[in-house]
Amino acid sequence: AQKITQTQPGMFVQEKEAVTLDCTYDTSDQSYGLFWYKQPSSGEMIFLIYQGSYDEQNATEGRYSLNFQKARKSANLVISASQLGDSAMYFCAMREGSNTDKLIFGTGTRLQVFP
Amino acid sequence: GAVVSQHPSWVICKSGTSVKIECRSLDFQATTMFWYRQFPKQSLMLMATSNEGSKATYEQGVEKDKFLINHASLTLSTLTVTSAHPEDSSFYICSARVPGGTGSLNEKLFFGSGTQLSVL
Repeated sequence: AQKITQTQPGMFVQEKEAVTLDCTYDTSDQSYGLFWYKQPSSGEMIFLIYQGSYDEQNATEGRYSLNFQKARKSANLVISASQLGDSAMYFCAMREGSNTDKLIFGTGTRLQVFP
Repeated sequence: GAVVSQHPSWVICKSGTSVKIECRSLDFQATTMFWYRQFPKQSLMLMATSNEGSKATYEQGVEKDKFLINHASLTLSTLTVTSAHPEDSSFYICSARVPGGTGSLNEKLFFGSGTQLSVL
């Protein structure tokens, strides 16, 4: 079974609008971490935001926020006020347990921001 | 600025040759680094965990004799693709965690810029 599922292969959003990228996960661990990374065409992986399984507040980092629905096992990324430079691949990832840095990645969502 | 440096950014080699990719942590010591592989339009797949001073831990299905990992110092891990073949052509990327951070920073796993390998 897929550990991390990103059901949107591609998304379009107009500049200055908000967009939500979906991510659901599957784990039996009580302690886990959820990450979002941005990968532009250059290939580098840019850390965006992190949510711990015990964090009660939804994580926010500037224009990025993570809508963490623990019961539904979802960790959607919300990008507010989209910019043209946000066009990239976005990957959701999970770290299972608290004693590892191994990440399991989803298949990614390609976001295209248009003027 | 970049905290994990990966070199080279891209390499083209002939089939049968070996290629070495370096992953360096800048200004911090990384006892553990991770090597991922990404095929075009696909996700990152963990290949192995590189442990300083000991053998790497390989994920299931990854040939340890094919992908040699050496983590000889606290700031350098190398991945050598031995006797490369066209099917080894892929994007290889490493990651490491900056120790000592707090909160969200503690969870930041920094990635190198990746290496695009093309085997002719």
